[in-house]
Amino acid sequence: KAGVTQTPRYLIKTRGQQVTLSCSPISGHRSVSWYQQTPGQGLQFLFEYFSETQRNKGNFPGRFSGRQFSNSRSEMNVSTLELGDSALYLCASSLAGTKETQYFGPGTRLLVL
Amino acid sequence: GEDVEQSLFLSVREGDSSVINCTYTDSSSTYLYWYKQEPGAGLQLLTYIFSNMDMKQDQRLTVLLNKKDKHLSLRIADTQTGDSAIYFCAESKGSGYSTLTFGKGTMLLVSP
Repeated sequence: KAGVTQTPRYLIKTRGQQVTLSCSPISGHRSVSWYQQTPGQGLQFLFEYFSETQRNKGNFPGRFSGRQFSNSRSEMNVSTLELGDSALYLCASSLAGTKETQYFGPGTRLLVL
Repeated sequence: GEDVEQSLFLSVREGDSSVINCTYTDSSSTYLYWYKQEPGAGLQLLTYIFSNMDMKQDQRLTVLLNKKDKHLSLRIADTQTGDSAIYFCAESKGSGYSTLTFGKGTMLLVSP
């Protein structure tokens, strides 16, 4: 069974631009979570989607948004990019998201110049 | 303070055992996890333990849980140079959904 895939793997943007990242969960998994990893803050939860609905949200500004499609694939969008948004963005999938084991993708490394 | 705390660095010699420690604060945490991250890579799930267990063994990995002290440890037997990586402890807090709270990670360096 294929693992969690994320595209693109690397991205360079400039301040003020917006970016969309994509995540395809493991087949059969319906829950997708997003995390941001930075050297200073570590791994922080962004949001979680299940059956196309956002079920949980971390403490991030409204510039960070996401969605999930009927095939469970998810996208996250960051608008008006800031230098501090440079990070590794990790996506994780689980069967139903209720305390189940999450499997992570390789991440998308975003650099904002 | 931090929800999940870990020591930042551990250095061992190849063949020795490594013990990585973690403390957490939420007594309602149901699952506790250990993830491994190699340079430039995502997180690899190593093992997890239910909060009603004291110990779990999985090949070279042993997880010990002390619920009274909210202390979790990961022991790697016969540590190899390929085990060099950052190890994250994570807790799944509260009721319902699978939001993970991670520690800052422990960098394990294994020397030949």
